[in-house]
Amino acid sequence: GAVVSQHPSWVICKSGTSVKIECRSLDFQATTMFWYRQFPKQSLMLMATSNEGSKATYEQGVEKDKFLINHASLTLSTLTVTSAHPEDSSFYICSASLPDRGEYEQYFGPGTRLTVT
Amino acid sequence: DAKTTQPTSMDCAEGRAANLPCNHSTISGNEYVYWYRQIHSQGPQYIIHGLKNNETNEMASLIITEDRKSSTLILPHATLRDTAVYYCIVSLGYQFYFGTGTSLTVIP
Repeated sequence: GAVVSQHPSWVICKSGTSVKIECRSLDFQATTMFWYRQFPKQSLMLMATSNEGSKATYEQGVEKDKFLINHASLTLSTLTVTSAHPEDSSFYICSASLPDRGEYEQYFGPGTRLTVT
Repeated sequence: DAKTTQPTSMDCAEGRAANLPCNHSTISGNEYVYWYRQIHSQGPQYIIHGLKNNETNEMASLIITEDRKSSTLILPHATLRDTAVYYCIVSLGYQFYFGTGTSLTVIP
């Protein structure tokens, strides 16, 4: 099956610093990748849609200058949390879309646990 | 916004079939029904999806009502490893908006 990886799996950073999270599709090319955030005991919230070679589309209420997304190749998208604060502590999950006969499936990475101290 | 409603939690005895319902009364004609599950602190795992017809794969069966306003995910022989949160998602196949899901607990 399609495999998506994320790196790092967990990270602790100090308030005010920036953190970069990588999302890779390992065995397929993904023209579209998605970034989600999940707080404890809550559901996944879509943050942004990332298309290779173009600017990401952010969901309403998500600060694009704070959550920088780069989708430089068909297998790699990155999310940079800039000037992180404790309220940004969350579980960040990416997914990659695999179109199959016009039907889209999303395959999710294992997630990155961010803790801002 | 999520277009589905699911029961908050369900229990199922190990070895029995788990039937997880989902209501999606505002589904449009081109939208698919997707099911994913998430085991604690992991990324969601794809289970199955369908448009109109019932679907079956090695993991589960998906039953969609004729009016497409609801569906049921069936895990034929639940095991302890099936304990997870199950999400029903209605989508054109692009952005996914997750609802609250159903927390399924398989009981020994």
